[in-house]
Amino acid sequence: AQSVTQLGSHVSVSEGALVLLRCNYSSSVPPYLFWYVQYPNKGLQLLLKYTSAATLVKGINGFEAEFKKSETSFHLTKPSAHMSDAAEYFCAVSDTTSGTYKYIFGTGTRLKVLA
Amino acid sequence: DTGVSQDPRHKITKRGQNVTFRCDPISEHNRLYWYRQTLGQGPEFLTYFQNEAQLEKSRLLSDRFSAERPKGSFSTLEIQRTEQGDSAMYLCASSTSGRAGTDTQYFGPGTRLTVL
Repeated sequence: AQSVTQLGSHVSVSEGALVLLRCNYSSSVPPYLFWYVQYPNKGLQLLLKYTSAATLVKGINGFEAEFKKSETSFHLTKPSAHMSDAAEYFCAVSDTTSGTYKYIFGTGTRLKVLA
Repeated sequence: DTGVSQDPRHKITKRGQNVTFRCDPISEHNRLYWYRQTLGQGPEFLTYFQNEAQLEKSRLLSDRFSAERPKGSFSTLEIQRTEQGDSAMYLCASSTSGRAGTDTQYFGPGTRLTVL
């Protein structure tokens, strides 16, 4: 079965500091991985996705993630945090074994940005 | 592209009542998913439609839950005899049938259900 694990349910960074949100995956087949952001009482918005092309993926709002097969990781980074980045972030893997391609989500990381 | 819409955005009901939620996907998307998100958790898959056919249901979807997608357009999710444990955010997402597994799912704003 495919799964993702997000380490750290809460992360706090100062404004302007590096943002690092961790995601590790487990998959017996090449995974397709996604990062979504959720603002309070809103749906999920795609930040970026890895679909086996370039291992360094650039997304919206200055975020990027690097797929590392050797570490089974897909960590999300942003060089300089902005107050507007405060939100909950979810890592997900597409279930390619069932044929439905449903997403399997991690438990999320709430990012707090300190002034 | 008007995005995925869901109605209502909020629903408060008493235990034992029936509720129905509606999802309107992006018009050309033939894949439609329902997820449930409880506080502090990531969304969990409930059910999947390809066009009008319901092709997978999670074991989370008890017999009190039913979903339809008539004519492959909008979808409804009905919960009968609601229980307090049904309180959650119900999210709908849609996507196209591109390269298998790589399609982006576009999420609606969700329906927040509170069962008293």
